[in-house]
Parts: sequence; structure tokens; C-alpha cells
Amino acid sequence: TQLLEQSPQFLSIQEGENLTVYCNSSSVFSSLQWYRQEPGEGPVLLVTVVTGGEVKKLKRLTFQFGDARKDSSLHITAAQPGDTGLYLCAGAGTNSGGSNYKLTFGKGTLLTVNP
Amino acid sequence: NAGVTQTPKFRILKIGQSMTLQCTQDMNHNYMYWYRQDPGMGLKLIYYSVGAGITDKGEVPNGYNVSRSTTEDFPLRLELAAPSQTSVYFCASSYSGRGSTEAFFGQGTRLTVV
Repeated sequence: TQLLEQSPQFLSIQEGENLTVYCNSSSVFSSLQWYRQEPGEGPVLLVTVVTGGEVKKLKRLTFQFGDARKDSSLHITAAQPGDTGLYLCAGAGTNSGGSNYKLTFGKGTLLTVNP
Repeated sequence: NAGVTQTPKFRILKIGQSMTLQCTQDMNHNYMYWYRQDPGMGLKLIYYSVGAGITDKGEVPNGYNVSRSTTEDFPLRLELAAPSQTSVYFCASSYSGRGSTEAFFGQGTRLTVV
């Protein structure tokens, strides 16, 4: 059973546009991470959110954790070609008793930013 | 620091052959993981370890084995390779921060079974 659903699966936009990608679940997570993966590389952590309602900013990227800790969003302002990549969300610890050190990954959103 | 290092980066196996994917980390992390990534399918957990001498199955363990004799090393063994094991394999390690787990990944091993 896929616990984390990411949408959209693919997104192609022009440089300068804004975008939001979503990560949704029916499970509560103790924390949620966002990773970016570039072709031929492993995922690299962007941010961790822990508290329901938490908002974190990383330059042009804004991450939000839902109040109920079941969902998250990533908003990119004025996207640049360097933002191109696969964005993965991953949750740790569920209300079904999942271990806090085991991450469950979504399938990812493949973002292409065209110059 | 090198972080998480995986070898080899690429490998082609014939059906029925065996191989070991190597993974080592120099961050003194207790937790280590093996994932496989198939197109459009995200990352699936194969095996994980919470410390030297302790391993456990993830979502998709069939056809694989692991060992963890030291904190640094976590090799993944494929016995009797099958075409369904064609994938990109990632090793990761993590520490457990307060309320969170943050994983550091290697660059991956692209395996093709023909």
C-alpha cells in the first residue's frame, strides 16, 4: 500500500513561473522530509518538517506541513532551470506504529523548468 | 567527508549470476538502508539495519540478503539474479535526530540483469 501520494507526477513549466507540488497521506507522520534528486545521483535532503502547521523557507522554496501532519506542500517561486529534478517526499513514523527511523517515500514529482 | 560510497556504479549481470553491492559510510551513523528505484515508482526499502549485527526486512526483500558486521559497511547480496532485479539501487544512512530521521544517500548502482 502506497502511504504517500505525490501530485502532480510530472510538471513542465517556463522559467520565472511559480509552482506547488503536493504530498498527501491518510497516515500521520512524526516528521516529513523533502528531497531533490538529479539524474544519475542519489536524493539530497532539502528540508525536514516536524510540527503540524510548520512552514519553512529555503530561498525560493517554501515547505508547509499540514496541521494534522498528514500532508505537505512545496512551493517554488520564480522557478529556474536549476530547479529541474525529481522531488520526493518521505515520511517517518506513522500512527500505525511504524518506526521513526524508517522512511516511506512517495513516487515523486518530476519537474522540468524550461529556459 | 566522503559520506555514503557505493560500488560499483554500473553492472550488467546474466540471469542466475550473483553479486554484492558494496556500501560504506564515514559519518558514524547507526542506521543504514538499501532501496531500489524503478522508473515512476519512487524508492522501495529492501533491507535496513539499526546497528552492527542487526538487520531487518523492508518492503521488497525477496532475492536479496544483507549483513552488517561493522558500523561503516552494509553490503547487499543478490543471489541468482533475475530480470525483475534490474533497477537502480541506493544505499543510505541516517542518524535519529529529535523527532526526525534524515537520510544521506550514495550515488547509486545501476544494475541490469539480462
